[in-house]
Amino acid sequence: GQQLNQSPQSMFIQEGEDVSMNCTSSSIFNTWLWYKQDPGEGPVLLIALYKAGELTSNGRLTAQFGITRKDSFLNISASIPSDVGIYFCAGPVRTGFQKLVFGTGTRLLVSP
Amino acid sequence: NAGVTQTPKFQVLKTGQSMTLQCAQDMNHEYMSWYRQDPGMGLRLIHYSVGAGITDQGEVPNGYNVSRSTTEDFPLRLLSAAPSQTSVYFCASSPSWTTDTQYFGPGTRLTVL
Repeated sequence: GQQLNQSPQSMFIQEGEDVSMNCTSSSIFNTWLWYKQDPGEGPVLLIALYKAGELTSNGRLTAQFGITRKDSFLNISASIPSDVGIYFCAGPVRTGFQKLVFGTGTRLLVSP
Repeated sequence: NAGVTQTPKFQVLKTGQSMTLQCAQDMNHEYMSWYRQDPGMGLRLIHYSVGAGITDQGEVPNGYNVSRSTTEDFPLRLLSAAPSQTSVYFCASSPSWTTDTQYFGPGTRLTVL
């Protein structure tokens, strides 16, 4: 099946630092989704991207849909302790969103 | 609205036992799904439903059954639990299968001994 690989696997940063993470696929996606999972909770959708090259922001978060349609990037600026969690990329494996494949996740730890 | 609720929060089973993980949503969502989350593997889709009476298999359906007799409920059944089914299980829902946003429940942590 399709696989999404995320890097880095984990990051430990100081509060105030900027963070970059990426997600790559062996096949093309028409939509990229970025989710955040707080400790002990279910994932929550942060950003959805629909077009190659698209750059979308949600507060301090900015995500980009790669030109090749095989990758996507998420940046977090001026990190704060509540940014702690696991960030997942995801994409639909067919038209519509009934079947999503998720990436392996990037675990972010922020030191105050 | 309570959103998506899951019960139980924690469960320990012995190999071979059966059980049902409950999932309910009060948002009148058509689409519901079950995922399992294992360390280092992200979330993997087990089964999904695009409406009452309609279910289909996801990426890892073996060992699990589902049914969708009402819009609100989407139970996941383990007929004969195996240690490989030790995982955290999440239920999610969205207004329809064409909607990008899925709302996840808080999860059920299952251990099979």
